[in-house]
Amino acid sequence: DAKTTQPPSMDCAEGRAANLPCNHSTISGNEYVYWYRQIHSQGPQYIIHGLKNNETNEMASLIITEDRKSSTLILPHATLRDTAVYYCIVRGYSGGGADGLTFGKGTHLIIQP
Amino acid sequence: NAGVTQTPKFRILKIGQSMTLQCAQDMNHNYMYWYRQDPGMGLKLIYYSVGAGITDKGEVPNGYNVSRSTTEDFPLRLELAAPSQTSVYFCASSRTSGITGELFFGEGSRLTVL
Repeated sequence: DAKTTQPPSMDCAEGRAANLPCNHSTISGNEYVYWYRQIHSQGPQYIIHGLKNNETNEMASLIITEDRKSSTLILPHATLRDTAVYYCIVRGYSGGGADGLTFGKGTHLIIQP
Repeated sequence: NAGVTQTPKFRILKIGQSMTLQCAQDMNHNYMYWYRQDPGMGLKLIYYSVGAGITDKGEVPNGYNVSRSTTEDFPLRLELAAPSQTSVYFCASSRTSGITGELFFGEGSRLTVL
């Protein structure tokens, strides 16, 4: 699986858009980009995933660059409850793809009031 | 619909003791996973299962065992507990593999080995 690089921490003002970057320069053509978050030692929560096109759901938007070497997770109107560790994960099919996802250290996003 | 339920939430063990962490899901998911998370670190995969009767090792399986006799349950057994197994353990499940389906996590089981 391709390695991802994320900043260890970021701040964002409440009500503003939070933009979380992720570099994955060694990503291969069949690998997806996933985002999960973990709020205060709870179990991680799925946010969004994509392959090459930008994706949007009720929680966030995922912008993937054309060369797929980086992506940005956007929380459009951050609230205090969005304070969490955000994990960017790259994963593709390998041997059936059943062996889960690898979670690194992620980005600790702190929403400031 | 409770999702993924883990018990116990907290446990203190003495070195050399054994115990089983329970995990149950009511979503009829085929895929189930056990992760551990050490303080300030990401999650590491211990074992996973693609269906009843089928289990396989993840990244850090030593010191643990699993079984999957039913679709719903995926217990994690710790034999001869060691201080290095002090961690938070998360169970997860997914309808399809983690590639195309989201993982649903339990609330975690916090284990301390003294």
